[in-house]
Amino acid sequence: NAGVTQTPKFRILKIGQSMTLQCTQDMNHNYMYWYRQDPGMGLKLIYYSVGAGITDKGEVPNGYNVSRSTTEDFPLRLELAAPSQTSVYFCASRDPDARSYTFGSGTRLTVV
Amino acid sequence: DQQVKQNSPSLSVQEGRISILNCDYTNSMFDYFLWYKKYPAEGPTFLISISSIKDKNEDGRFTVFLNKSAKHLSLHIVPSQPGDSAVYFCAASLDYGGSQGNLIFGKGTKLSVKP
Repeated sequence: NAGVTQTPKFRILKIGQSMTLQCTQDMNHNYMYWYRQDPGMGLKLIYYSVGAGITDKGEVPNGYNVSRSTTEDFPLRLELAAPSQTSVYFCASRDPDARSYTFGSGTRLTVV
Repeated sequence: DQQVKQNSPSLSVQEGRISILNCDYTNSMFDYFLWYKKYPAEGPTFLISISSIKDKNEDGRFTVFLNKSAKHLSLHIVPSQPGDSAVYFCAASLDYGGSQGNLIFGKGTKLSVKP
């Protein structure tokens, strides 16, 4: 049982480049989330989805886009990368009847 | 404006002693609270939770206490072990509204348990 899988684990981007962070889960969870963790700042919600075709903004959505075409996948798109997007990104999922999340192992992104 | 606050960035404890990690929140409508543990280069893992209708929940060496009047919760680890060394995040959520179930995290407390 893989749980939540994130790829890549590490990436270095140049300012202005774009990339997609991949997230897939095999638990058939309806709810999925993207968080970013900056040093000493905890985890902040970027976007979330309550099911295929439904997404909504979290606390820090600017500079990001998401899509949810299937229950399993919830990719996060960065357009025009900026140094402020240097962070560790975590994807998570949960069952609607549960209150706790299952997290992926994270993607460490550096924008230079 | 932080809704979930962990005011101690770090805590150092001797092996075998008690570790107490604290968390304060501002939104009295939060109805569920969770603690996550995070090792370096890994994602957070769920540790223990408590509903707002309870004031204590215990799971082995881990106990979470909730004081609703003070809007305060704490995680007790007894006895502490070196493998408990990690960053601990407090989180809270609401069971209603547009952000139903979304977790709001504190900044974390780094626990170091010394042998």
